Amino acid sequence: DAGVTQSPTHLIKTRGQHVTLRCSPISGHKSVSWYQQVLGQGPQFIFQYYEKEERGRGNFPDRFSARQFPNYSSELNVNALLLGDSALYLCASSLDPMEGYTFGSGTRLTVV
Amino acid sequence: GESVGLHLPTLSVQEGDNSIINCAYSNSASDYFIWYKQESGKGPQFIIDIRSNMDKRQGQRVTVLLNKTVKHLSLQIAATQPGDSAVYFCAENNDNQGGKLIFGQGTELSVKP
Repeated sequence: DAGVTQSPTHLIKTRGQHVTLRCSPISGHKSVSWYQQVLGQGPQFIFQYYEKEERGRGNFPDRFSARQFPNYSSELNVNALLLGDSALYLCASSLDPMEGYTFGSGTRLTVV
Repeated sequence: GESVGLHLPTLSVQEGDNSIINCAYSNSASDYFIWYKQESGKGPQFIIDIRSNMDKRQGQRVTVLLNKTVKHLSLQIAATQPGDSAVYFCAENNDNQGGKLIFGQGTELSVKP
């Protein structure tokens, strides 16, 4: 069985640009969450989607947005990139929004 | 504010010894806790979870203990192996937070052969 897949695996962007990160959940999982992990720290919650609706949002600026598609895959969009947005972006999926999250390997974003 | 923290940022053990990784949480409403293992270049890998109606849960070579009185969580790894070397995170959740997991800073476990 395929796990949570994220693309791309690595990405380099310039300040001010826009980026779109993609996530495919485990088959049958309807809940997808996004996390940002800065080097040396634990993941920080960005968004959660369940059944294509936003269920939660972390303390991130409006430059961050996301959506979930009918097939339950998801995109995370970040506009007007800043150097501080450089991080590992993790996607996690679950059958239920409250438990059992499985993480993907992440997208390493570097903003220069 | 809410936080989940770890007592020790690094832990070094000999192969074959038992390891204990500790975690403190501050939100008494938290009712679901998870331990994750993260190897370099990879996403967090689920190890074991526990709900607040339990104080102990065992898996293969791992045991999680929950002490709600002092809001403390620990992960015990038996017969630690070199492949156990990684950063370990505890995370907490509760019904009021939906699917938002709050992670601690992490403990780096180093296993010496």
